[in-house]
Amino acid sequence: EVQLVESGGGLIQPGGSLRLSCVVSGLTFSRDWMVWVRQAPGKGPEWISRINPDESFISYADSVKGRFTISRDNVKKTVSLQMNSLRGDDTAVYYCARVQTSPGPYFFDYWGQGTLVTVSS
Amino acid sequence: DIVMTQSPDSLAVSLGERATLNCRSSQSVFSTANNKNFLAWYQQKPGQPPKLLVSWASQRESGVPDRFSGSGSGTDFTLTISSLQAEDVAIYYCQQYYSVPPYTFGQGTKLEIK
Repeated sequence: EVQLVESGGGLIQPGGSLRLSCVVSGLTFSRDWMVWVRQAPGKGPEWISRINPDESFISYADSVKGRFTISRDNVKKTVSLQMNSLRGDDTAVYYCARVQTSPGPYFFDYWGQGTLVTVSS
Repeated sequence: DIVMTQSPDSLAVSLGERATLNCRSSQSVFSTANNKNFLAWYQQKPGQPPKLLVSWASQRESGVPDRFSGSGSGTDFTLTISSLQAEDVAIYYCQQYYSVPPYTFGQGTKLEIK
């Protein structure tokens, strides 16, 4: 069974930092591209970052570039998102997802349940 | 960036009736290299993550009921639910993966029972 389990969310003050993690099981992972997608309350999903298996191709949405950093540990089957200089508009549920690649990268076929980040004073 | 626009924003359909959801991209997502449309549909129920329903505009994922079908090409796409069931109440999103990054989603269509 494929499982993606996010953790690390919570209430944080503006300007603060949080580190999200996503542990993956049931997938090869070391050959998988992974993404972080967020969804603000009542809004549609917004892709924010992508990482390839060896971390040689990393990209970010303009909305988080320079503030967020994606990384991965293929031994621990974990993808992480370091979020700095958090703002109110970063408040959202954050999902990790696997990118289908054949060869890809294409669409997002497996998603975690998400972790809520609330930025507020 | 490719902008995805869905219509309508909300839709109420009677049980057993057909539901038609539309998605338009600001530029073509059809690849002549592999003759495919780089367009996916997701279903999201309250409190759950999006679930992949359809990829390549018309390829239903394993386990997705055959009442769901995707169609269209280029810039105009449709997700059709042939006979609406109560469990289909959800928000549906289209997404392009043709010109990435960024991956872009539509704003969603909220499907309800009339």
